[in-house]
Amino acid sequence: GAVVSQHPSWVICKSGTSVKIECRSLDFQATTMFWYRQFPKQSLMLMATSNEGSKATYEQGVEKDKFLINHASLTLSTLTVTSAHPEDSSFYICSAAGTGWTASTDTQYFGPGTRLTVL
Amino acid sequence: SQQGEEDPQALSIQEGENATMNCSYKTSINNLQWYRQNSGRGLVHLILIRSNEREKHSGRLRVTLDTSKKSSSLLITASRAADTASYFCATEGGTSYGKLTFGQGTILTVHP
Repeated sequence: GAVVSQHPSWVICKSGTSVKIECRSLDFQATTMFWYRQFPKQSLMLMATSNEGSKATYEQGVEKDKFLINHASLTLSTLTVTSAHPEDSSFYICSAAGTGWTASTDTQYFGPGTRLTVL
Repeated sequence: SQQGEEDPQALSIQEGENATMNCSYKTSINNLQWYRQNSGRGLVHLILIRSNEREKHSGRLRVTLDTSKKSSSLLITASRAADTASYFCATEGGTSYGKLTFGQGTILTVHP
């Protein structure tokens, strides 16, 4: 149980285009989803927190107009990188927390990640 | 600010040996979690230890937490080549409910 998928697993796009990444909880309802990015050989940095039905909360320094997050249902959150540029190339990972999740005691479930390369 | 500093940054051992990785953090936490990441892959959750716990075991894994020193350690006993991966600690707590702050990670290489 508690499987999170991401689609696509990798994407290559041209500079200036927009790319949408999906994060789905397959066997549970995720009231909260988190989006992280990871540069090569570096750690994960939290970008934003999304709660179903409400606007995402972005971390300091993350451009909300650049990284659009939509959490329209209890099983799907999307991250759209708008007008992507080479510096946006990174590994994007989502995680999901289920209904009744308690942050202090329960783990989040991570997706397999999406590698974005912007040419 | 980034909290969760891990050492060593890289660790190379032989199969069968034990591997110990350490993590330090700066602010109060509700829990500390350890994750494994194989190259280019997503994260695999290993273990969660709450702030009121001092030690936890899961199979070949042993995690300790010392809140007075704001540090944790992950011990992998009888390592296998398949344990080769990056290991990250992540803290949750303080005013950042639910948000995980990851350490820089330790790259573990287990030679067969």
